[in-house]
Amino acid sequence: DIQMTQSPSTLSASAGDRVTITCRASESVSSWLAWYQQKPGKAPKLLIYKASNLESGVPSRFSGSGSGTEFTLTISSLQPDDFATYYCQQYYTYWTFGQGTKVEIK
Amino acid sequence: EVQLVESGGGLVQPGGSLRLSCAASGFTVSSYYMTWVRQAPGKGLEWVSVIYSGGSTYYADSVKGRFTISRHNSENTVNLQMNTLTAEDTAVYYCARGIGDSEKTLDYWGLGTPVSVSS
Repeated sequence: DIQMTQSPSTLSASAGDRVTITCRASESVSSWLAWYQQKPGKAPKLLIYKASNLESGVPSRFSGSGSGTEFTLTISSLQPDDFATYYCQQYYTYWTFGQGTKVEIK
Repeated sequence: EVQLVESGGGLVQPGGSLRLSCAASGFTVSSYYMTWVRQAPGKGLEWVSVIYSGGSTYYADSVKGRFTISRHNSENTVNLQMNTLTAEDTAVYYCARGIGDSEKTLDYWGLGTPVSVSS
């Protein structure tokens, strides 16, 4: 099974900060990597697919990069609505999620 | 507008069974692959099962032999029959759709239905 590891688990930041979350796969997933945002009591929301493609309607401050086993999600200027938990997901072989990164207010 | 609405969750005793349903609108379930993903309290997301447009089904090892996914085209629903439930199956269960032969992954999710396994 492909394991996904995110870092950090928790990130404290202020509005306007540039934020980067890292995701590492236990084996290559090529570019079959997505990022989701989840808020308490809500379903996950797709932000990025195929490592770097922005889902329709998602603000351009979100971006993704990487391939193989190393990926990053960057929020260029954190907005109040962005405080949430973020998950990476590989879909090279079925679906596996990272453990999540909680972005909290500093 | 695409919508997914899960139902059927609740409290069940260990060893019991539940049948979850996911009602879709705004698209035809038989044209997509449909998955179930669960989230235990305070935990991350875990893929549970998938049914492809051609009818093939696959399961996570943690539920294989106990859960069965099915699709009812006339009702535009996807179901998850869960048997021999244990406390480790306690979670919110989401259904989500994906587009085959696409670069995208699970793009629409329901709000989830909670399942609690306890005596």
